[in-house]
Amino acid sequence: AQSVTQPDIHITVSEGASLELRCNYSYGATPYLFWYVQSPGQGLQLLLKYFSGDTLVQGIKGFEAEFKRSQSSFNLRKPSVHWSDAAEYFCAVGYTGGFKTIFGAGTRLFVKA
Amino acid sequence: NAGVTQTPKFQVLKTGQSMTLQCAQDMNHEYMSWYRQDPGMGLRLIHYSVGAGITDQGEVPNGYNVSRSTTEDFPLRLLSAAPSQTSVYFCASSYPDAAGTGELFFGEGSRLTVL
Repeated sequence: AQSVTQPDIHITVSEGASLELRCNYSYGATPYLFWYVQSPGQGLQLLLKYFSGDTLVQGIKGFEAEFKRSQSSFNLRKPSVHWSDAAEYFCAVGYTGGFKTIFGAGTRLFVKA
Repeated sequence: NAGVTQTPKFQVLKTGQSMTLQCAQDMNHEYMSWYRQDPGMGLRLIHYSVGAGITDQGEVPNGYNVSRSTTEDFPLRLLSAAPSQTSVYFCASSYPDAAGTGELFFGEGSRLTVL
């Protein structure tokens, strides 16, 4: 069965510092991988997605993620964090078209001035 | 553009009561899903549908029923509410894009409290 692990429940970074959020997945075939962001009281918004091709994927708001098949990882990065990036971030794995998408437990990002 | 619409936004039930959470999308998406979100557990898939008349169970289906009679609607029924079903529920829809991947479009959520 597919599963997603986000080992960090919460992370605090200083504004302007770099960010890396970790994600490991378990999936029997080539996965469709996603990162979503949820601001307080809001629904989820897609940051980026990956299925094939270049293993470094660019998303919205300056985020990128790198797929590493050998490590079953899909870590999210941002070179310089802004206070508005404070939110909860979810890694997810799914089938074609996005159905049966399974989410990790999420990592809450705090940004300090 | 309405997107994915969920009703009600808030609901309080007593243990044993039944109710239906409504979900409608106007994007002609094939796939629809229901998730529940609980602190520290992320979003867990309850049921999903890959088209009208086709539904299947997700990770946590017990206590919930769904049906998909039209492409647009995907209601979630709680047959006999329990306090463990207190949660925030999200409906989502998606479709396979040209690359085969699919972005989930979420509703605003329905906060359910079971006393």
